[in-house]
Amino acid sequence: DSGVTQTPKHLITATGQRVTLRCSPRSGDLSVYWYQQSLDQGLQFLIQYYNGEERAKGNILERFSAQQFPDLHSELNLSSLELGDSALYFCASSPQGGRGVTDTQYFGPGTRLTVL
Amino acid sequence: GENVEQHPSTLSVQEGDSAVIKCTYSDSASNYFPWYKQELGKGPQLIIDIRSNVGEKKDQRIAVTLNKTAKHFSLHITETQPEDSAVYFCAASIAPLDASKIIFGSGTRLSIRP
Repeated sequence: DSGVTQTPKHLITATGQRVTLRCSPRSGDLSVYWYQQSLDQGLQFLIQYYNGEERAKGNILERFSAQQFPDLHSELNLSSLELGDSALYFCASSPQGGRGVTDTQYFGPGTRLTVL
Repeated sequence: GENVEQHPSTLSVQEGDSAVIKCTYSDSASNYFPWYKQELGKGPQLIIDIRSNVGEKKDQRIAVTLNKTAKHFSLHITETQPEDSAVYFCAASIAPLDASKIIFGSGTRLSIRP
């Protein structure tokens, strides 16, 4: 158990809908990362937050957004869902968010999103 | 940008034998190389990592070697056991860890034959 929690574990929804995925980092970790894992794309970095602020952005679609709250939990919002958004979404956390400090990421168990 | 290639994509070994997974990277600035194990239905779990100031690191049955000149690093699992069956991912990034620059390999599905 990495100490990172994600809810829900599974999510089934229809095209055009909007969903919110939630992540709680390990105790003491200030940074949260979101990844998408699909069969044909592997692990793709989406976005990183550090202590409430966006720190790095990867291949995140404009239909997707995220935020990190004062208690450090994070939410990933996916809107106008398409069939191709079906994937596993992982959250990871690290103590210091990387810059200037040697750091390690710890992954949560993931949320499996199915768009029908 | 960085590119990480991982081989083989699938690997089957007899229980008790050794398994080796290899990765190559392209960006000579990369200096942090973690390895993750992902079991079915679970998230990637960090199993070992190495930074570029060392050439080898060992943790019980798992070891990682790094050749900076050739820009490749390898995961070695000795005395394999059924619970080693999983998908293994290598990754490369610039330490300090910049999430936008961490690149994952495509994964190796390791199966341990009883």
